Amino acid sequence: GAVVSQHPSRVICKSGTSVKIECRSLDFQATTMFWYRQFPKQSLMLMATSNEGSKATYEQGVEKDKFLINHASLTLSTLTVTSAHPEDSSFYICSANTGVTDTQYFGPGTRLTVL
Amino acid sequence: GDSVTQMEGPVTLSEEAFLTINCTYTATGYPSLFWYVQYPGEGLQLLLKATKADDKGSNKGFEATYRKETTSFHLEKGSVQVSDSAVYFCALSDLKGSQGNLIFGKGTKLSVKP
Repeated sequence: GAVVSQHPSRVICKSGTSVKIECRSLDFQATTMFWYRQFPKQSLMLMATSNEGSKATYEQGVEKDKFLINHASLTLSTLTVTSAHPEDSSFYICSANTGVTDTQYFGPGTRLTVL
Repeated sequence: GDSVTQMEGPVTLSEEAFLTINCTYTATGYPSLFWYVQYPGEGLQLLLKATKADDKGSNKGFEATYRKETTSFHLEKGSVQVSDSAVYFCALSDLKGSQGNLIFGKGTKLSVKP
């Protein structure tokens, strides 16, 4: 089946630094990629939807200047957490859609810890 | 707004036991309903889905029936295996048949002991 990878799987950074998380579709072209955030014992919350070559659509309450999303190719989307603070510590998950069906294929997630 | 509530875990069962994970939803329209499974160290995978009332989704021995009258989509399996140990997420999409706007429950961790 379709495989989505994320890198890194874990990252620890200092407050004020920026962190980039990559999401790759390994064996298919992803017309749409989704970014989710999951707090401990909470639901996955959709942050934004990105289509290749166009600007991402952010959900209400998500700061687009803080969470920069780039979907530059059909196999890669990146999420950059700018000027990270401890409250940004969370589990970030991406998913990708082939465009042929509407099935979302999920990556394994990235655990971000901001000190 | 739309929401999904599922039973809190963790749930611990012995092999071959019967499994039920409850899921109820609140939606203004007629959503599609999904169960996702996340095995340790892996991404979420679609387990089964149902797109309209009275539909039954099934896969790998798991079943769930879309009950509009009780706004429920409970996950069941007659005989669990150790390999079923995972986190299970109930979700809905308010886009008919689509998984574009998924709203998830908090997840239920299942541990099956030999």
